[in-house]
Amino acid sequence: SQTIHQWPATLVQPVGSPLSLECTVEGTSNPNLYWYRQAAGRGLQLLFYSVGIGQISSEVPQNLSASRPQDRQFILSSKKLLLSDSGFYLCAWEGSFQETQYFGPGTRLLVL
Amino acid sequence: DAKTTQPNSMESNEEEPVHLPCNHSTISGTDYIHWYRQLPSQGPEYVIHGLTSNVNNRMASLAIAEDRKSSTLILHRATLRDAAVYYCILRVYNNNDMRFGAGTRLTVKP
Repeated sequence: SQTIHQWPATLVQPVGSPLSLECTVEGTSNPNLYWYRQAAGRGLQLLFYSVGIGQISSEVPQNLSASRPQDRQFILSSKKLLLSDSGFYLCAWEGSFQETQYFGPGTRLLVL
Repeated sequence: DAKTTQPNSMESNEEEPVHLPCNHSTISGTDYIHWYRQLPSQGPEYVIHGLTSNVNNRMASLAIAEDRKSSTLILHRATLRDAAVYYCILRVYNNNDMRFGAGTRLTVKP
């Protein structure tokens, strides 16, 4: 069966520090991968998606970037965090038929 | 982009049916109607999706209006574990874009 992992589960970082969040998927090949952010009490905002290794599409201009160095690995990064980057970051995967997205447990990021 | 409108919140009693409405008057012919739910402090979970016909699965039923401008997610017997935010989303087939709105916060009372 397929599983999706995210780490860390929680993170507290100072403003201006770098960020690296990792997402890995097991039990599937060539998944579409997604990064979402959810601000407190709000809906999900799509940040990036990837249909293959090295292929990244950005939905919202910001100081975040994403990379997909391996088929089942998706990384969200920032060189300098802003206060507004605080939120709940969710990674998701879906199969080639694009019918259902499966979400990871999320990373709660607090930028102080 | 076609958008959806949902009530901000709804309440239900345990073991009673719940009907969660969604309006999508600007839906296009290629938009599928997806429902996800998000339990507190967790990522969203897929519930059900459909195009034109009503759909049933082990979690819920989806009733789609004949003109497809609205739909209703039906939980046949609400349990306390069904308390969550329910999102109604339109998604074009074979499109990577899936946009979540604010959803409906469902409270289930014992």
